Amino acid sequence: QKEVEQDPGPLSVPEGAIVSLNCTYSNSAFQYFMWYRQYSRKGPELLMYTYSSGNKEDGRFTAQVDKSSKYISLFIRDSQPSDSATYLCAMSEGGGADGLTFGKGTHLIIQP
Amino acid sequence: DTGVSQDPRHKITKRGQNVTFRCDPISEHNRLYWYRQTLGQGPEFLTYFQNEAQLEKSRLLSDRFSAERPKGSFSTLEIQRTEQGDSAMYLCASSLDGKSYNEQFFGPGTRLTVL
Repeated sequence: QKEVEQDPGPLSVPEGAIVSLNCTYSNSAFQYFMWYRQYSRKGPELLMYTYSSGNKEDGRFTAQVDKSSKYISLFIRDSQPSDSATYLCAMSEGGGADGLTFGKGTHLIIQP
Repeated sequence: DTGVSQDPRHKITKRGQNVTFRCDPISEHNRLYWYRQTLGQGPEFLTYFQNEAQLEKSRLLSDRFSAERPKGSFSTLEIQRTEQGDSAMYLCASSLDGKSYNEQFFGPGTRLTVL
């Protein structure tokens, strides 16, 4: 079993839909939880990070962390075709200063 | 452009050859990371530097891999005696200490193909 599990998809939804992406993990030492977006043949870019359990909202994006269930989610509201990309969850024990542990990534397609 | 840069962007080599990649971090970032990403997978951590000191190495970093950051600025990753299994995207990231959360900024990657 990998430390971080993420469904690779592809996940295809119509424009305007609410998208739900999620990851599960096994290492209870993880304290920081991140979502990165990666376009084809590009490096990942950080969307959001959350410390410990709770919710965080940034525009159309909401991140949720439930440490008791070892489950994290990213919600995208009013999805746009430009949101089509691979979404990677990542986790860290030490504030991102150490090496990150990534999920496999979910390939998201927003249909116009 | 003041982001992380990597060179070359693409490298094709024959099995058994040595290759070297370069990463230039964001200016003044003291931490530098190397990751490897294969098709359909997320990035896997290889190693990281704080200034010129290599602080952690993953078990993925076999003896054929060596990374350096001699002056605490740019870094090189060398793979000796390349194998077909080394074909991947090699990503570099950098971050700045001093905050509770250190965002890692990624470069565009070097795509290695071993024939």
